[in-house]
Amino acid sequence: DAGVTQSPTHLIKTRGQHVTLRCSPISGHKSVSWYQQVLGQGPQFIFQYYEKEERGRGNFPDRFSARQFPNYSSELNVNALLLGDSALYLCASSLGQGDYEQYFGPGTRLTVT
Amino acid sequence: AQSVTQLDSQVPVFEEAPVELRCNYSSSVSVYLFWYVQYPNQGLQLLLKYLSGSTLVESINGFEAEFNKSQTSFHLRKPSVHISDTAEYFCAVSEGTHAGNMLTFGGGTRLMVKP
Repeated sequence: DAGVTQSPTHLIKTRGQHVTLRCSPISGHKSVSWYQQVLGQGPQFIFQYYEKEERGRGNFPDRFSARQFPNYSSELNVNALLLGDSALYLCASSLGQGDYEQYFGPGTRLTVT
Repeated sequence: AQSVTQLDSQVPVFEEAPVELRCNYSSSVSVYLFWYVQYPNQGLQLLLKYLSGSTLVESINGFEAEFNKSQTSFHLRKPSVHISDTAEYFCAVSEGTHAGNMLTFGGGTRLMVKP
């Protein structure tokens, strides 16, 4: 079975630009979460979506937004990119909002120059 | 608010030696605890988890962790490490009514196994 997939693998953007990152959850999983991992640090929670609704939001500015589609895939959008947005963006999926573990994808490495 | 502290940023150890990676958390409510492993240029893989029941949990590759509520700790141990265990290890906590909530991660511990 395919795991969590993310695209693209790597991305280079310039300050002020906009970026869209994509995530496909494991088949049957209805919850998707996004995390930002800056080099040398642990991941930080950005968003959680369940059944296409936002169920949690971390301490990130409004430049960050996300959505979940009817097929449970998800997009993370970041506007007005800053150098500090350079990071590995991880997507995790789980069956639902119960006691289900989260499975992580390989991540998208975003570099802002 | 919950937080996770991993006391050691790097742990060098010789192959076949025992190792302990320390993790302490703070939370005002019941928690669910996890250890994830991250190999270079990869995402996170769940190593083991504590949801309820026995406070000692084990993974399939020889790691174990013990939930200690009084000390708010969830240390990871392995009696004999291999070169292939070299990786970054993250302790995480999920707070609230179920384990599927947002995860709060520690800063990570880099385990370096030397021959």
